[in-house]
Amino acid sequence: QKEVEQDPGPLSVPEGAIVSLNCTYSNSAFQYFMWYRQYSRKGPELLMYTYSSGNKEDGRFTAQVDKSSKYISLFIRDSQPSDSATYLCAIRKNQGGKLIFGQGTELSVKP
Amino acid sequence: DAGVIQSPRHEVTEMGQEVTLRCKPISGHNSLFWYRQTMMRGLELLIYFNNNVPIDDSGMPEDRFSAKMPNASFSTLKIQPSEPRDSAVYFCASSLAGVDTQYFGPGTRLTVL
Repeated sequence: QKEVEQDPGPLSVPEGAIVSLNCTYSNSAFQYFMWYRQYSRKGPELLMYTYSSGNKEDGRFTAQVDKSSKYISLFIRDSQPSDSATYLCAIRKNQGGKLIFGQGTELSVKP
Repeated sequence: DAGVIQSPRHEVTEMGQEVTLRCKPISGHNSLFWYRQTMMRGLELLIYFNNNVPIDDSGMPEDRFSAKMPNASFSTLKIQPSEPRDSAVYFCASSLAGVDTQYFGPGTRLTVL
């Protein structure tokens, strides 16, 4: 079993839609949860970072961690065509430890 | 401010040839990571360095792969001999040790024929 699972999509939504992206993980020892965004032919860039359970909001983006279910989510409100990218979840056990990435979900927001 | 610099951006080579990928981390960063990204396996960590010392190379697929960091501003990933299954995008990333934000370079797209 992979340590983190993510549906690769692709996911296509109309502009203005609410987008929900999800990952599940297998080991309850993971404490640090991140979302990276990767535009085509570019390197990933950190979008959201959460420690332990709970929600974190940044503008149109909300990251949610449910440690009891081993489930992490990224919500995008009022999605824009510029949000079209691949979104990768990433998890780690310890600060400074190895990052483990999900497969990435390809998102397309149509005008 | 320059980000992580990788060269070459594209490399096409024939099976059996040696390939060397290069990375210059962000100045002041003391952790450096090499990743490989493929459609099948996603983004995988190959090796990472702290203060130029290799810390975890458990992701290096086999002895054909080697990585060095001779100083704080330069690292190489070498594949010798290369095989078609090594075709992938190779990313270098850097960060401050103990800080979670990793900054990725633009990647090197490697094709082995």
